[in-house]
Amino acid sequence: DIQMTQSPSSLSASVGDRVTITCRASQSLKSYLNWYQQKPGKAPKLLIYAASILQSGVPSRFSGSGSGTEFTLTISSLQPDDFGTYYCQQSNSIPLTFGGGTRVEIK
Amino acid sequence: QVQLQQWGAGLLKPSETLSLTCAVYGGSFGHYSWTWIRQSPAKGLEWLGEVTPSGSTKYNPSLKSRVTLSADTSKKQFSLKLSSVTAADTAVYYCARVGSSPQKFDYWGQGTLVTVSS
Repeated sequence: DIQMTQSPSSLSASVGDRVTITCRASQSLKSYLNWYQQKPGKAPKLLIYAASILQSGVPSRFSGSGSGTEFTLTISSLQPDDFGTYYCQQSNSIPLTFGGGTRVEIK
Repeated sequence: QVQLQQWGAGLLKPSETLSLTCAVYGGSFGHYSWTWIRQSPAKGLEWLGEVTPSGSTKYNPSLKSRVTLSADTSKKQFSLKLSSVTAADTAVYYCARVGSSPQKFDYWGQGTLVTVSS
């Protein structure tokens, strides 16, 4: 199985801050990497797929980059509604696997 | 707009079979694969498997012997059965759509908490 490791596991930032979350894979994913946001009690929501393609309706302050084994999710200017837990997920090989999550708190 | 609505028993005893169904409203059923994912504090988000409208399946090898996925195109529904459950299967179970290549989970059900307890 491909292991997905996210860092940090949690962070606290102020509105307007630039936030970066890293996801590392145990083997190359090419660009088969997706990002999700989950709020308490809700299902995850797709933000970015194929490493850098913004899902329709997702604000442009979210962006993704990377390929191979290292990927980043960036929030260019953190907004109050961006609290929650962010997960990466690889779609390169079965079984599909997720990272452990990064909890984002607004200061 | 695509909506997924899921249902099924929320409390099971050890050794029973978990059974959940997910109905798809809006959008096409026949042009996508459909999947089940569960989430627990112990294991985080775990992909269980996927099913195509024609019934072809892919399963997570860690659960393959206990999982069965099926699809009913006429009802626009797909289902999950997990046999011989234990407390380790306690989790929130989600159904989701597998978006077209590149693969991603673009629409999700509301989640169902399934608790296994004697």
